[in-house]
Formats: sequence, structure tokens, C-alpha cells
Amino acid sequence: EPEVTQTPSHQVTQMGQEVILRCVPISNHLYFYWYRQILGQKVEFLVSFYNNEISEKSEIFDDQFSVERPDGSNFTLKIRSTKLEDSAMYFCASSEWDRGYEQYFGPGTRLTVT
Amino acid sequence: AQKVTQAQTEISVVEKEDVTLDCVYETRDTTYYLFWYKQPPSGELVFLIRRNSFDEQNEISGRYSWNFQKSTSSFNFTITASQVVDSAVYFCALSEGDSGNTPLVFGKGTRLSVIA
Repeated sequence: EPEVTQTPSHQVTQMGQEVILRCVPISNHLYFYWYRQILGQKVEFLVSFYNNEISEKSEIFDDQFSVERPDGSNFTLKIRSTKLEDSAMYFCASSEWDRGYEQYFGPGTRLTVT
Repeated sequence: AQKVTQAQTEISVVEKEDVTLDCVYETRDTTYYLFWYKQPPSGELVFLIRRNSFDEQNEISGRYSWNFQKSTSSFNFTITASQVVDSAVYFCALSEGDSGNTPLVFGKGTRLSVIA
């Protein structure tokens, strides 16, 4: 069964460093998303992406964040200068179509900023 | 104001008991979608069900059942004859509107512990 994959599973970085989190969505899906979950808290939306551009973004998704689909398969989230409060689990998701089609989530990347 | 409220932070039951996880949502849209996701200790988010606002039929899938009531803005989830493998955090989520890839708004989750 097709699944969303994410790499790395765990990333440790120092404050101020740039990180890139990678995702491979399900191949026939058209919509891509990033969410984050600070430890023990709820899952929060960061950004959605369709047709090579951002569809919607939350207040969390400030200028330090960017997303890109550099080729036909990868979908990346870049954090330019990490802060301690960026430590969280980052989930990538994809959906086949809009109108509430279920979003399938990857296993997550745990980002630890020290 | 929270759009998705899961008032039960933690629930603990003994194996084989039935348990209901509550979810109350808030939206002004007439078209919206409701979801339940399971997050086991391993951390991934597992899709369980999607419901649109025009379909109030209850759904049963094995030991799982969902009760959608627009009159009370609730979408509750019941596990019958719970098992230890059901131990996880369960999230209810809402997606509003009928166009565009609207993001999911999650509740805070309910941590279910099933004790053998």
C-alpha cells in the first residue's frame, strides 16, 4: 500500500542552523501539507501546497520557513535559522484531492534544536 | 475559541470494556469534514475515518463506531471490547469549506490507556 515517507526520522541541530526536512508524498496525490506537533501537544497546521505554490499557511509559518517541491517526488520543509521552540515532530501529509479527502500522514521527523 | 474540543484528556479502561471518546466541533460552514486519527506510542498518525457534514449516518467498522450528530455538533468515537493495542492518543479533526485543500484543525487529543 502506498505511503508517505519522511527523512530523517530524527534530526538534531544547533540553534541558528538551517535544517531541511524531506518528504515523499504518495505518488498520485496532488496536495501536500506540513504539520508540527510539539511534544505532548496537539497537531498544528503549518502550510499546504498545490500546483507548485503555497495554498495556505498558518501564523506559525513565518519567514524562517519555506517549502519546495524540487522534483516530481520530493516535498521539503526548510527552517532557515532554527530556534529552541522549533523542537517538535514534523509531519508531512498528502491527499489525492481537496474537498476533505483524507490526508495521509508520514511517520514524522523529530527535530531537536539544542 | 477552539474549533475542535476533546474534553477528555486521558481515559483509562480495563481490557474488554467499551469506551467512548468525545469530540465537539465548531464551524459556521455548512460543508465541512470530520476526521479521527490514531497516534500510537510509535508516533505516526493513522487515519481512521472521514465524515462529511451531509452524511449523519453512524458508521461501524469492526470494533469501532462513530456517532455524528449535527444537532449537538458532536462526532464521538466508540471502541467496543477494547484491547491493549487500542492504547494510543486519538485526535478528532475538522476541515472546513468545500473547496481548496483546507487544513485540518485538530483537537488536543484523548490519551486512551487500555489495561490488561
